[in-house]
Amino acid sequence: KQEVTQIPAALSVPEGENLVLNCSFTDSAIYNLQWFRQDPGKGLTSLLLIQSSQREQTSGRLNASLDKSSGRSTLYIAASQPGDSATYLCAVNYGGSQGNLIFGKGTKLSVKP
Amino acid sequence: GAVVSQHPSRVICKSGTSVKIECRSLDFQATTMFWYRQFPKKSLMLMATSNEGSKATYEQGVEKDKFLINHASLTLSTLTVTSAHPEDSSFYICSARASGQGHNSPLHFGNGTRLTVT
Repeated sequence: KQEVTQIPAALSVPEGENLVLNCSFTDSAIYNLQWFRQDPGKGLTSLLLIQSSQREQTSGRLNASLDKSSGRSTLYIAASQPGDSATYLCAVNYGGSQGNLIFGKGTKLSVKP
Repeated sequence: GAVVSQHPSRVICKSGTSVKIECRSLDFQATTMFWYRQFPKKSLMLMATSNEGSKATYEQGVEKDKFLINHASLTLSTLTVTSAHPEDSSFYICSARASGQGHNSPLHFGNGTRLTVT
């Protein structure tokens, strides 16, 4: 069964810290992996998409890595800010069902001023 | 670009009534749209895959007669929750992929619909 796991489920850090969110997946035969941000009661904001042939993607203070062989991805957030507080979701595209995404449960991040 | 609009954002309805949720791709055509459901503190779970001009494909455990999906045009898919029950209360979110794009192209998500059935 293709599953996506995110650890930790919740994380609280003081403002300014660098942090890493983890995502693991059971099947390494992926098309791509996507990181999203979800604010309470809101939809999804796509942060980064890494294709299976790539090892990392960067956008501003965010850096996502992908290690297919070990079934892992990390999202690195540099110099965290209170505005980064949200739930971060990792989703894997295995190409099934016309390319739907399988989501982890997310990591709820709280950045305290 | 690549904006997906979902309407309504919130809806409260009584048990036994039906509710329609619309998902529109505003600046691109989408042959395929996906409908997800998210229960509190749970992952988003795929309910069904909607294809323009054909019947939707439902995931195991999702009742096709209860969750009616219509994808009548390349920019609009609708999800109708029929005879709603309180256990249908959830966050429903749609996503779309631009027509002609491969399976490795990104999905674009709507802002979701919070359904509360009383």
